Formats: sequence, C-alpha cells, structure tokens
Amino acid sequence: DTGVSQNPRHKITKRGQNVTFRCDPISEHNRLYWYRQTLGQGPEFLTYFQNEAQLEKSRLLSDRFSAERPKGSFSTLEIQRTEQGDSAMYLCASSPLVQGITYEQYFGPGTRLTVT
Amino acid sequence: AQSVSQHNHHVILSEAASLELGCNYSYGGTVNLFWYVQYPGQHLQLLLKYFSGDPLVKGIKGFEAEFIKSKFSFNLRKPSVQWSDTAEYFCAVISGGFQKLVFGTGTRLLVSP
Repeated sequence: DTGVSQNPRHKITKRGQNVTFRCDPISEHNRLYWYRQTLGQGPEFLTYFQNEAQLEKSRLLSDRFSAERPKGSFSTLEIQRTEQGDSAMYLCASSPLVQGITYEQYFGPGTRLTVT
Repeated sequence: AQSVSQHNHHVILSEAASLELGCNYSYGGTVNLFWYVQYPGQHLQLLLKYFSGDPLVKGIKGFEAEFIKSKFSFNLRKPSVQWSDTAEYFCAVISGGFQKLVFGTGTRLLVSP
C-alpha cells in the first residue's frame, strides 16, 4: 500500500500528558498537511510543510502544538500538556508540488486522540 | 477568509432515489473545488474535482457535480443512489498559495435498502 499512513491509529491519554503522532506521506509528495477533525465538523487546517520547511500554521495551532518534517519525508505532530479539547481526529494529507499546478490531496486514515 | 457551506447535514434516501447535496463557497476569485467522501471506518477519498473547463465534472461511482460560478455553488449529484453510498460527504475549496483545503461541515448520507 503506497498511500498516506499514520501512526498510531488511536491514542488515549490523560490530561496533561504529551503525545506524538507520525505521518508518512506518499513517497514522491513534497507537500504535507495536517488537519484536525472534531465530531460533526469538516477537517480544519493546522499546518503545512513544503519539503522540510513549515510554511504555514493555523491560529488553531497553539503553543502546545509543534510539528516537524526533519528530512522532508515523514512528519510528526506533538501535543504537549494535552487538554480535553484536544480530543479529535488528526489527519495528514500529502500532494505533489509542481509549480503552478494544483493537485488533489491524499489523506491518511487519521489518528484519533481521546484525552481523559 | 474563504468558507464553505453545506446546508444538508443529514440526508436519508431509499435506494434508487436521486441525490443532490448542496455546497456553496465564499470566494470571488479563481477556485478549485472538491468533493471528498468518507465511508464508514475509512479515510477521506476524493470523489471528484473541478479546476477549470467544463463546469460539469464527473467523478467515481457515478457521481457528478456542477460548478455554477454565478451562484458560488458546486452541488453534488447522483441519479440513483445505492446502499453502498452511505457515507459522509465533504465539499472543499482550495485556499491560498499553499493550497490548503477549507472544508464544509459535511453531509451524512444514509441510504436504506
């Protein structure tokens, strides 16, 4: 399967703990996106990487959130001092980067975070 | 900021009924529009997309959507739904130079056999 993969698929943590999620995009895709989806809502943009550079961050991404893509391949999203409001599905998507051309984004299965 | 509205939050249909899901976006410039589908227990998948050209676009599984610029709409249609179309459908628009997606709140479709 050469699609976008995410690990873990489910994470249950206690309030105040730190969690880290991983996303492996489709191998030749330069663009990588993180979205968050809560119940009854569509996915909301969190942050964007072009290769290893983090080029855009949403205001939704508080100081407790940090994302990296160290070698321009996989990416990690860390949440420090989790709060119950962080409970959501965290989605990763990737797409190719070709100047001036728009491509669709391919989504992974998501990581469902539950903060108790 | 761009936004997407999906007015039908829940739709229940019988098999063979026709489907139309509404989607309106707020943006006056060039738009790239998408419909994504999420089947139960599965990840988001692209159903169809509009970038330019013919405003009537056809996607997978018999779905189509019509881009009407004057109405800022991109409604999804299928002439005859099947039980397997039970899923959540999201309309989305590209926003900004980095091409992030702005999604609507989704429409849950339940098709009864």
